[in-house]
Amino acid sequence: QVQLVQSGPEVKKPGASVKVSCKASGYTFRSYAISWVRQAPGQGPEWIGWISGYTGDTRYAQNVLDRVTMTIDASTDTAYMELRSLRSDDTAVYYCARGGYYSKWDYWGQGTLVTVAS
Amino acid sequence: DIQMTQSPSSLSASVGDRVTITCRASQDISDYLAWFQQKPGNPPNLLIFAASTLQSGVPSRFSGSGSGTDFTLTISSLQPEDAATYYCQKYNSAPISFGQGTRLEIK
Repeated sequence: QVQLVQSGPEVKKPGASVKVSCKASGYTFRSYAISWVRQAPGQGPEWIGWISGYTGDTRYAQNVLDRVTMTIDASTDTAYMELRSLRSDDTAVYYCARGGYYSKWDYWGQGTLVTVAS
Repeated sequence: DIQMTQSPSSLSASVGDRVTITCRASQDISDYLAWFQQKPGNPPNLLIFAASTLQSGVPSRFSGSGSGTDFTLTISSLQPEDAATYYCQKYNSAPISFGQGTRLEIK
């Protein structure tokens, strides 16, 4: 069955970086995009960006464009999302999901809590 | 950017009630509209995609309609397990965006 398994919770200081992984299984990794969203406490999901599982092409949200990098490792069917220069308002649960533009988001990772605090 | 506006922001209904949640896009998004259900501590769960297509495994009491800018999620007969927050999502182009959510409480 399709699964997306994310890495564990992280606690970071302001200004640090975090890298969250999303390991896919149960489907052909290169056939689908992986999207990333985050959800701050009590808020709705906020789109961060998207990476093609086939080409590695990316598209990022404007508000994190200069701080985020998404990559894939096709040898391990794993997607990564790195966020730099962390701020307190980056504190959120980060999710990966299978899907991108024009395609449904039908499977999600379990979420990774990233806490930014001094 | 296209804005997604959901209403109501919260509602309370009884078991067996018919419940309707609406989502309006600020521009035409054709049928690139999905509905998600989210319960505390869990990721969103896809209910409806392409505005009206029921995702596999989702109970048939859930249905979606609409096209262009106005969309509706309907629960035909509310069940206790339907207590959750519901989000619409437009996924036709960047930036992908979600509605602000509708919190559904069971009376």
